[in-house]
Amino acid sequence: SYVLTQPPSVSVAPGQTARTTCGGDNIGRKSVHWYQQKPGQAPVLVVYDDRDRPSGISERFSGSNSGNTATLTISRVEAGDEADYYCQVWDTSSDHPVFGGGTKLTVL
Amino acid sequence: QVRLVQSGAEVKKSGASVKISCKASGYNFNTYAITWVRQAPGQGLEWMGWLSLYNSHPHYAQKFQGRVTMTTDTPTTSVYLELRSLRSDDTAVYYCARLVRCSSTACPGARFDPWGQGTLVTVSS
Repeated sequence: SYVLTQPPSVSVAPGQTARTTCGGDNIGRKSVHWYQQKPGQAPVLVVYDDRDRPSGISERFSGSNSGNTATLTISRVEAGDEADYYCQVWDTSSDHPVFGGGTKLTVL
Repeated sequence: QVRLVQSGAEVKKSGASVKISCKASGYNFNTYAITWVRQAPGQGLEWMGWLSLYNSHPHYAQKFQGRVTMTTDTPTTSVYLELRSLRSDDTAVYYCARLVRCSSTACPGARFDPWGQGTLVTVSS
C-alpha cells in the first residue's frame, strides 16, 4: 500500500518560514492535501491540490509538489500556527485515502 | 456555511456497539460523500471508510470490514457510523468529514472538507 512519510517535528522562530515535507513514491503525480490540527480540535484543510488554498485560509500557507516530495510552507510564522500538520493523498490503486503520520510544528 | 455536527461523547463497555451521528447542513446533501476518520489518543489519523450519498453504497477500510456500518438518512441530512464488538483500542475521537471530488463509485484525488467537531468514544473493560 502507498505510504506517506512526514518528519515528526519541525521548529521555527516567530516571523520565520516553516517548511514541512511529505514523502511518497512519485507523489508529484498525485494531488496532495494538507490539514492543520490544533490541540483538542478537528483537522482543518489549509492547502488542497498541491498548492490551492480554501477560502479563509491565510496566504501565508502555500504548497508545492514534485518528484517524491510535497512541501507545505508557512511564511511569517505566528504562535497560532503551532499545530500538527498532516498530508493526504488518494491512493487510486487501493481506492482509499492515505494520511502521513503528521508533523508537530513548534513555534519557539 | 457548510457544517457537520456530530453527536456527543459515548462511554461503552468492551463488546458493546456504538452509533455516532453526523448532521450536515449548508449544502446539497446528496451531492457529496461522507467519510469517517478516527484518532486514538496521541496518535495520527486513521481512515475507516466512506459512504456515497448518491447511492448509499459504503466503502470500508479492510481493517474494519465486518465490524462497521455506515448509513444515511436523507430526510434529516444525517450520516451514521456504527462500530460493533468494541475493544479498548477503539477508544478514540471519531470524525466525519465531507469528501470533495467523489463520484458515486470512486474518489480520485478527493479531499476532506470540512470536518465534524469529533465524538469521543471511550471503551472500558
